[in-house]
Amino acid sequence: QQQVKQSPQSLIVQKGGISIINCAYENTAFDYFPWYQQFPGKGPALLIAIRPDVSEKKEGRFTISFNKSAKQFSLHIMDSQPGDSATYFCAASRNNFNKFYFGSGTKLNVKP
Amino acid sequence: DTEVTQTPKHLVMGMTNKKSLKCEQHMGHRAMYWYKQKAKKPPELMFVYSYEKLSINESVPSRFSPECPNSSLLNLHLHALQPEDSALYLCASRATGLYGYTFGSGTRLTVV
Repeated sequence: QQQVKQSPQSLIVQKGGISIINCAYENTAFDYFPWYQQFPGKGPALLIAIRPDVSEKKEGRFTISFNKSAKQFSLHIMDSQPGDSATYFCAASRNNFNKFYFGSGTKLNVKP
Repeated sequence: DTEVTQTPKHLVMGMTNKKSLKCEQHMGHRAMYWYKQKAKKPPELMFVYSYEKLSINESVPSRFSPECPNSSLLNLHLHALQPEDSALYLCASRATGLYGYTFGSGTRLTVV
């Protein structure tokens, strides 16, 4: 059973546009939701993370929106740049549990 | 030092070979992980070490053998692998509590 569902599978955005990637989860015990960015041939890098006691977190051009009642969270990339072209993974975990559940990934292509 | 260092970066091995992957971190993280990642897929958890003890084994075949010699080092010993084991092998570490992973850049393994 897939614990975290991610959409879309791929996304094409024009430079300067907004990229939006969505994730949904089932387990209400999850209390930590990170997003990872992965470039080809590299390991994933932690981009931004949120806990369910806040509805939004912003770091630069990257924003996580969190809807606890709907069990959904999303990543918004404002003013998308070609350098943002990468694969993005959402994930979820719960405290004192050494395991993260990853979404299936979204390949973002930002056109110049 | 905020990195996880993996060696080698690339490895080609025959099905009868024995080889080892190495991972090192000096961030004081007490949880260390091995992940396997196939192309266009999310990382797939293999093993978790917590305070140098194996805490999670995700039913990985015995041809993969992890080892944690100390709090900074993690090894993955490989023996009699199959071509389908070809993948990017990622090491990660994490501080205690609700924090995201720090991933290494991975070892690209090809089994011939």
